[in-house]
Amino acid sequence: DTAVSQTPKYLVTQMGNDKSIKCEQNLGHDTMYWYKQDSKKFLKIMFSYNNKELIINETVPNRFSPKSPDKAHLNLHINSLELGDSAVYFCASSLAGEAYEQYFGPGTRLTVT
Amino acid sequence: ILNVEQSPQSLHVQEGDSTNFTCSFPSSNFYALHWYRWETAKSPEALFVMTLNGDEKKKGRISATLNTKEGYSYLYIKGSQPEDSATYLCAPPGGATNKLIFGTGTLLAVQP
Repeated sequence: DTAVSQTPKYLVTQMGNDKSIKCEQNLGHDTMYWYKQDSKKFLKIMFSYNNKELIINETVPNRFSPKSPDKAHLNLHINSLELGDSAVYFCASSLAGEAYEQYFGPGTRLTVT
Repeated sequence: ILNVEQSPQSLHVQEGDSTNFTCSFPSSNFYALHWYRWETAKSPEALFVMTLNGDEKKKGRISATLNTKEGYSYLYIKGSQPEDSATYLCAPPGGATNKLIFGTGTLLAVQP
């Protein structure tokens, strides 16, 4: 059974389009995250939700909007895609608190042409 | 901005060698330190979460120690194997609830 799943795995789209990436976890965790792996392979937090409430909102363009319909799902919607949005996006989940390990999804490779 | 440093950036060892790398972080307001293993084309996997000064954790041939007073953690791999090849990331908390700040990692390549 997949613990943290993301769809799609690959996403190729043109500049200006709007796209969504979905994430689901079946671990019973109450906290979910979106990370971006940049061109230098550095992993940076974008957003975190705890029980459907936004608790971390890093400095990302407001074209990026997370949505958590329930605590098992956290989706990422991106408007007006730009070339610089090309990256691998990872979803993760954990129990609430810094002392709990995070479980990562397989990643979504977004390519904007 | 929390400054997390990992060294070395990369490391090439022969199969059977033992190796270690370092994670340095600000020691003030410490709560927990995470280590993750990240194989190429896969996603990061948690190795350890350490919370107490002097903590030592072990998983098979991999172990880690923590010094919260001076702000560093060591990861040791005994008898490296090719399957240990990966990037090893450390992540202390980033000053907000549930937020981790990931270091740039140490890329380990183990030659058979």
